[in-house]
Amino acid sequence: QVTLRESGPALVKPTQTLTLTCTFSGFSLSTSGMCVSWIRQPPGKALEWLALIDWDDDKYYSTSLKTRLSISKDTSKNQVVLTMTNMDPVDTASYYCARGARDVWVRAPTNFDSWGQGTLVTVSS
Amino acid sequence: AIQLTQSPSSLSASLGDRVTITCRASQGISSALAWYQQKPGKAPKLLLYDASSLQSGVPSRFSGSGSGTDFTLTISSLQPEDFATYYCQQFNNFPITFGQGTRLEIK
Repeated sequence: QVTLRESGPALVKPTQTLTLTCTFSGFSLSTSGMCVSWIRQPPGKALEWLALIDWDDDKYYSTSLKTRLSISKDTSKNQVVLTMTNMDPVDTASYYCARGARDVWVRAPTNFDSWGQGTLVTVSS
Repeated sequence: AIQLTQSPSSLSASLGDRVTITCRASQGISSALAWYQQKPGKAPKLLLYDASSLQSGVPSRFSGSGSGTDFTLTISSLQPEDFATYYCQQFNNFPITFGQGTRLEIK
């Protein structure tokens, strides 16, 4: 059974750096094809993809946010960490991590078959 | 980035109705499209991938079609648990993008 769980601060101040951790089980990020993404959703708004890291340590970022984002993995701990710098109130959202499976040859993006429950991050002074 | 436009943005329907939601991509994405269902306060749930492949455990009343730029999600006979928001997602190119969502409400 695949499970993912997001953890991190519920409240951050403007200009601070947000660090979120996704702890997962039921799969390994050392397995070819596996990947984990971060996706966020402001209250009442649509989903927005943020970043993806795969088994081969390839990393991809949202075009509009790439200067503020960093994604990394700790395969031994089954964790993926997302950092977002210079937080602003508009970054208030529920942040989800989700698992995907990439074609190991084509290396195209993927859809997400398992999601964490999400964590609400509020940016306010 | 590839833009996905869903229509309608919201929809009212009755139990037993057949409902269709469309998703249009700003450029061709082959069949690299997924559909998700999201209920309030919950994470999205994958319904369909590769435009028309049903995810394991998803009822067969859900179906998808399309390729290139135009896609549809169809629910053949609405059940009470189907009232939710639906999103399409393309995975043909990075950056991955989602549609703006379609809210399905009870008439």
